[in-house]
Formats: sequence, C-alpha cells, structure tokens
Amino acid sequence: DAGVIQSPRHEVTEMGQEVTLRCKPISGHNSLFWYRQTMMRGLELLIYFNNNVPIDDSGMPEDRFSAKMPNASFSTLKIQPSEPRDSAVYFCASRGDNNEQFFGPGTRLTVL
Amino acid sequence: SQQGEEDPQALSIQEGENATMNCSYKTSINNLQWYRQNSGRGLVHLILIRSNEREKHSGRLRVTLDTSKKSSSLLITASRAADTASYFCATAPPQFYFGTGTSLTVIP
Repeated sequence: DAGVIQSPRHEVTEMGQEVTLRCKPISGHNSLFWYRQTMMRGLELLIYFNNNVPIDDSGMPEDRFSAKMPNASFSTLKIQPSEPRDSAVYFCASRGDNNEQFFGPGTRLTVL
Repeated sequence: SQQGEEDPQALSIQEGENATMNCSYKTSINNLQWYRQNSGRGLVHLILIRSNEREKHSGRLRVTLDTSKKSSSLLITASRAADTASYFCATAPPQFYFGTGTSLTVIP
C-alpha cells in the first residue's frame, strides 16, 4: 500500500482564492482525519469522518472551510476564500480497526 | 480543544543518554498513543498503550500510563542522533487529540 496520499504537496496562492486539498486514505481504513499544524497552535484536529460521514467538525475554524468525503477513497478540504492566516501544513490521516493513525506527508499551504 | 499536553516543550541530550517525555490529558481515554514527527514530515505512530495497561515496551521505547493521574511518559533509552524529532501524545476515543509536542534534540 502506498500509504495516505495527499496532493498537492505545496500550494502557494493569493488571498481570496479558493484552495482545495486532496487526500486518498489507505484502502480499507474507515476513518479519515484532517489536521492543521502551525508553529503557534500546534496540531489541530479540523474534522473527522467515519465511513464517509462527518462525525465531528467542531475544529473547523470558520465557514470558509469545508470538507467532503464522497467515497471511501477520497476526501477534500476546501478553503474559500483563503486568507494569509490559513497558511499552515495540512495533514490527512486515516485509521483502521487497530486505532493507529497513518498520516500523509502533508500539504504546505502559503496564502500571500 | 487540545487535550494532551507534553512536557518539556524542548529537550536536548547527548547521544547515549535516556530521554523522558511526559504527557497529561484531561478526560477518560480508551488508549493513549505516542507519535514522532521528523521535521517537515507527517507523524509516525510509535506505540499504543491501552487504559488497562500500566507499562509497555517496544525496542528502546518504554511507555507508562497512570490513569489516576491522567498522565503518561515516554522513555527513549540509549538515544541516537536519529531520534531527533518532535514527539506527540494523542488520546482516544473517539477522535484523536494531540498535545503540543516535545522537541527532542540528540547531540552526537
């Protein structure tokens, strides 16, 4: 298995633009998590899905953020419109039955 | 909100020494996990300890859990330069709450 796949690895955009981050979880994993990591705030859970259903999105900072999981093998995190304070590394992780999370390599987002 | 809190925030030791990191959490858990993050990379799972366990070993790693104090410790014995990374504890269920991490530097 290739592990959790995220794209793009790096994204530089201008304030106000829409940003879409993508994640492909490990096949067979039924839970998927989106995190944001910054120096100031550390690693924050944004939202997680179980069997493609959003379970807890209380970590989503604002309505500008939205996440979808249309099927078991794909999820997106969208920011519209983006702002400079959204600059961070965004991680996707998936989890199977043994409670261990597997993280993707992350997407480094820079909003100018 | 974040539940796990690691301390110290930063730790610097000589190669060969032992490194101990602590984690405190707030609510009841099913299990607690430790992860490592190398600079610029995603987190990698190290070890899981269940709430009914008090100690667990994996190679040079030793984890303890005290549910009465809501705390855990991670001991890395005979540290190596390659152990330089940030270490996070995470509590479950159902979702994972990560602490702020301990930055470990092992000096060759």
